[in-house]
Amino acid sequence: DAGVIQSPRHEVTEMGQEVTLRCKPISGHDYLFWYRQTMMRGLELLIYFNNNVPIDDSGMPEDRFSAKMPNASFSTLKIQPSEPRDSAVYFCASSLGNSPLHFGNGTRLTVT
Amino acid sequence: AQSVTQLGSHVSVSEGALVLLRCNYSSSVPPYLFWYVQYPNQGLQLLLKYTTGATLVKGINGFEAEFKKSETSFHLTKPSAHMSDAAEYFCAVTDTGRRALTFGSGTRLQVQP
Repeated sequence: DAGVIQSPRHEVTEMGQEVTLRCKPISGHDYLFWYRQTMMRGLELLIYFNNNVPIDDSGMPEDRFSAKMPNASFSTLKIQPSEPRDSAVYFCASSLGNSPLHFGNGTRLTVT
Repeated sequence: AQSVTQLGSHVSVSEGALVLLRCNYSSSVPPYLFWYVQYPNQGLQLLLKYTTGATLVKGINGFEAEFKKSETSFHLTKPSAHMSDAAEYFCAVTDTGRRALTFGSGTRLQVQP
């Protein structure tokens, strides 16, 4: 079991650029979650999917953020255009049914 | 709405001393409660969980937590701290109607030699 795989581990970009974060969940898991972690706001749920369908996107900050899950083994979180306040660590997690969430190692995003 | 409050953003203990990290929850329905640990530059790892049944839950690395409904608490304890326990610890809550976790603000544990 390779665990939840996120890429890239680090991303540095300039304000206004498009950023795409990627996640490969654990094979067989039917739930996928995107969280954001900052010093000020802690861990915030952005969006989660069940069987590739978005269930709750109420945590997505604004229209600049979008997330997709085209198939059971891949999800993306896109920010366009990026802003300095988007700087954070973004975590992807997956789970099967009622099992606990398994987290990836995160993507550290810095927007200058 | 569900929420958890972790008392104390930083806790420092001596190696071999008792570890006590506090978590209080707020939920309108029976909660599921979790403790996760985060080491530097890593994701969160599950320490233990409470869903139903026995209120004293044992987890990995010698940690345990007790669900106390009367106190709406789920404090994490370990009898004897080890240097390797230094990390950030997060309490989280959900319920049967919602799969996503709501996390507390975290407690950073320091272990002094």
